[in-house]
Amino acid sequence: DTGVSQDPRHKITKRGQNVTFRCDPISEHNRLYWYRQTLGQGPEFLTYFQNEAQLEKSRLLSDRFSAERPKGSFSTLEIQRTEQGDSAMYLCASSFVPGLALQGGEQFFGPGTRLTVL
Amino acid sequence: GIQVEQSPPDLILQEGANSTLRCNFSDSVNNLQWFHQNPWGQLINLFYIPSGTKQNGRLSATTVATERYSLLYISSSQTTDSGVYFCAVVRGSTLGRLYFGRGTQLTVWP
Repeated sequence: DTGVSQDPRHKITKRGQNVTFRCDPISEHNRLYWYRQTLGQGPEFLTYFQNEAQLEKSRLLSDRFSAERPKGSFSTLEIQRTEQGDSAMYLCASSFVPGLALQGGEQFFGPGTRLTVL
Repeated sequence: GIQVEQSPPDLILQEGANSTLRCNFSDSVNNLQWFHQNPWGQLINLFYIPSGTKQNGRLSATTVATERYSLLYISSSQTTDSGVYFCAVVRGSTLGRLYFGRGTQLTVWP
């Protein structure tokens, strides 16, 4: 078990370009979360999946953002037509939730993808 | 949402000192985690503590869910303890998302 991994670790792009990030969760974890962190702030929730189903999306997730987890394993987060305000650290986390448990389980975070939009 | 407030925002200590970080939250929670964010941005799990007290080496944490606060104790601090400490909660009526505080920036001098 190597933990949550994210790729790439850094991305520099020009305004208006599309970018895609990948997250590989801990192998037995069925929940996967995306968060965004800007300088001096705590991470803010974007969306999460249980297996392949996207169960919740934040209002922060504009229509330029889309996330998928097609086979219930890895996930991708795509940002279309990037803007300078999208510059942030994008964090992925995973957890295991047994059956119909109400609690979300302990979340473990990846190293993040730092996005800079010029 | 739920408000998560951490105090103090900044803390400067000399090596060997003890410290207490506080996390207050505005609603009932069913999950609370403490993290340490290192200079590279990695969030490291310290405690998963919806209620009660846990200890791990020089660190311990206590959550009093009925009074809506949690405390993180660091004893005999070391320079490697420097970084940002975050408290994050899952609101009682929801299943997933963590709500984070703004963190406590800890600096430990040799």
